[in-house]
Amino acid sequence: DAGITQSPRHKVTETGTPVTLRCHQTENHRYMYWYRQDPGHGLRLIHYSYGVKDTDKGEVSDGYSVSRSKTEDFLLTLESATSSQTSVYFCAISINGNYGYTFGSGTRLTVV
Amino acid sequence: GIQVEQSPPDLILQEGANSTLRCNFSDSVNNLQWFHQNPWGQLINLFYIPSGTKQNGRLSATTVATERYSLLYISSSQTTDSGVYFCAVVMGNDMRFGAGTRLTVKP
Repeated sequence: DAGITQSPRHKVTETGTPVTLRCHQTENHRYMYWYRQDPGHGLRLIHYSYGVKDTDKGEVSDGYSVSRSKTEDFLLTLESATSSQTSVYFCAISINGNYGYTFGSGTRLTVV
Repeated sequence: GIQVEQSPPDLILQEGANSTLRCNFSDSVNNLQWFHQNPWGQLINLFYIPSGTKQNGRLSATTVATERYSLLYISSSQTTDSGVYFCAVVMGNDMRFGAGTRLTVKP
């Protein structure tokens, strides 16, 4: 989507290895989010950020950490990937956290 | 936490038919949004509708916040309407999604 990019788009990794997903925005939005999408669950919030170095946990944060050292970048790290973390990960941005959400194209992560 | 339920889970239509998708939520919310996820996985924001009615072409949405539900209407459906429709409610800084309605429009 215009103004928000995720990398990589696809990744296969082995159980126990660390993985970092990147979300980059050019909209200068304050809020950034990481969601995971699994069949039957819709999208579930992992972590979000409401400013540089300001982050908070979401509904399914166990096993994940995030960092935001610049307005434009929000990183999601799986310290030691597990098969249960196989999913499609979406990043989203919002002007004020209340409306105007824009989603990235997603990262398909497979942990084998 | 807040519960968001969508119905029906699956819907199959012939092209040209109309449909209504429903979203129920369990608590007061700051905002409600409808999204369409196309068959390629892209999520598109359809409506930001905390209350009232909005229309955009063949799509319209109504939210009755006091009764905690929202409806998405699709008229004269087209094959390009296929995909999954999600409603999501915002409380504070958290947006919670329903499980979605998978719509298939057949030519």
